[in-house]
Amino acid sequence: DADVTQTPRNRITKTGKRIMLECSQTKGHDRMYWYRQDPGLGLRLIYYSFDVKDINKGEISDGYSVSRQAQAKFSLSLESAIPNQTALYFCATSDGQGGGYNEQFFGPGTRLTVL
Amino acid sequence: AQSVTQPDIHITVSEGASLELRCNYSYGATPYLFWYVQSPGQGLQLLLKYFSGDTLVQGIKGFEAEFKRSQSSFNLRKPSVHWSDAAEYFCAVVGYSSASKIIFGSGTRLSIRP
Repeated sequence: DADVTQTPRNRITKTGKRIMLECSQTKGHDRMYWYRQDPGLGLRLIYYSFDVKDINKGEISDGYSVSRQAQAKFSLSLESAIPNQTALYFCATSDGQGGGYNEQFFGPGTRLTVL
Repeated sequence: AQSVTQPDIHITVSEGASLELRCNYSYGATPYLFWYVQSPGQGLQLLLKYFSGDTLVQGIKGFEAEFKRSQSSFNLRKPSVHWSDAAEYFCAVVGYSSASKIIFGSGTRLSIRP
């Protein structure tokens, strides 16, 4: 079984709809991240969480919100989706031990299309 | 501000040929550098990382990278590519307040010519 899972894998929605992307991990990591990937732009950090009570904005948090329901679960919400949020979304986790400079493990991605 | 530049958007090499993917970074202190690979339809997988010590770093799948402080570079190399190496490659650096906030380059797509 995959260590980091994302649901759904693909989603098509309409402008103005609320949508939630979910991420679960079995690695026991305390740190979780949400990124979006756009062609030619690499990955950009949306939100990150270092533990259940810790939520931080990343580089491009406007239009997004997150919820850390448990150590293993981190959800990303688009309250009112717009077409320029069409992208590939990745969840990642890392271990907070050793000063934090640790490898991030990525989920398979969710391809979101907003019409 | 920290940044990572991958100047080559797309590279095509012949199977069996050598490969070098370029990465330049901007960071005020000693950087922590990574190379990730993304195969089609997949998430990112770590190839190798540099934190300190030996500036030539060995990774998985036969890849290596060399940290050159004087050139602010961390280029990825492989002596002989295989068709399965076709993928997108991302260079990354740990960000300003660190704590695992990685800044990614825009990526280089590698195609392999039979």
